[in-house]
Amino acid sequence: NAGVTQNPKFQVLKTGQSMTLQCAQDMNHNSMYWYRQDPGMGLRLIYYSASEGTTDKGEVPNGYNVSRLNKREFSLRLESAAPSQTSVYFCASSELEGHRGGYTFGSGTRLTVV
Amino acid sequence: AQTVTQSQPEMSVQEAETVTLSCTYDTSESDYYLFWYKQPPSRQMILVIRQEAYKQQNATENRFSVNFQKAAKSFSLKISDSQLGDAAMYFCAVNSGGSNYKLTFGKGTLLTVNP
Repeated sequence: NAGVTQNPKFQVLKTGQSMTLQCAQDMNHNSMYWYRQDPGMGLRLIYYSASEGTTDKGEVPNGYNVSRLNKREFSLRLESAAPSQTSVYFCASSELEGHRGGYTFGSGTRLTVV
Repeated sequence: AQTVTQSQPEMSVQEAETVTLSCTYDTSESDYYLFWYKQPPSRQMILVIRQEAYKQQNATENRFSVNFQKAAKSFSLKISDSQLGDAAMYFCAVNSGGSNYKLTFGKGTLLTVNP
């Protein structure tokens, strides 16, 4: 029972490099989310996908792009990484948009941009 | 818009004692849901308890219970008989219709459990 799987778990990038964070869920959930977690800031929503084929900006979308590849997969891309994007990134999913039962989270990706 | 405030950056408790973590929120919606998530050092986000705003009865899950004061927009978490495994960061969160039911988190409270 994998739930939400994120890859990689850890990554170090140089300023200006690009990378894609992968996320996949096996619960047949419709909605998926990307959050970033910074010390003292809690979790902030970057982008979300209410259903397959749709994506929308969250609270802190600048510097990121997303792709809802299919119902299972939702990727987050950093085109030109900056030190301000050093963070822990969480992917989450829910049965319906904003499902009242809460979200299921992946184990996170710790990204360091030097 | 919806906001969540956790006024205690850090708390500590003795093993077997009771601790209460505070949370206040703001939303203009009448339909909303409140959550407490636990994040241990493993980094995994674990749902501890949820409360539906239209329910007056406080939610309880084993040693975890909430004190939901709707008029005061307060949603505190009580942990009874604290265990070493309860040591973690705790996040309060809300989702409401005004934000299309997206989860908004507080900044977290780091709980230490002393043996």
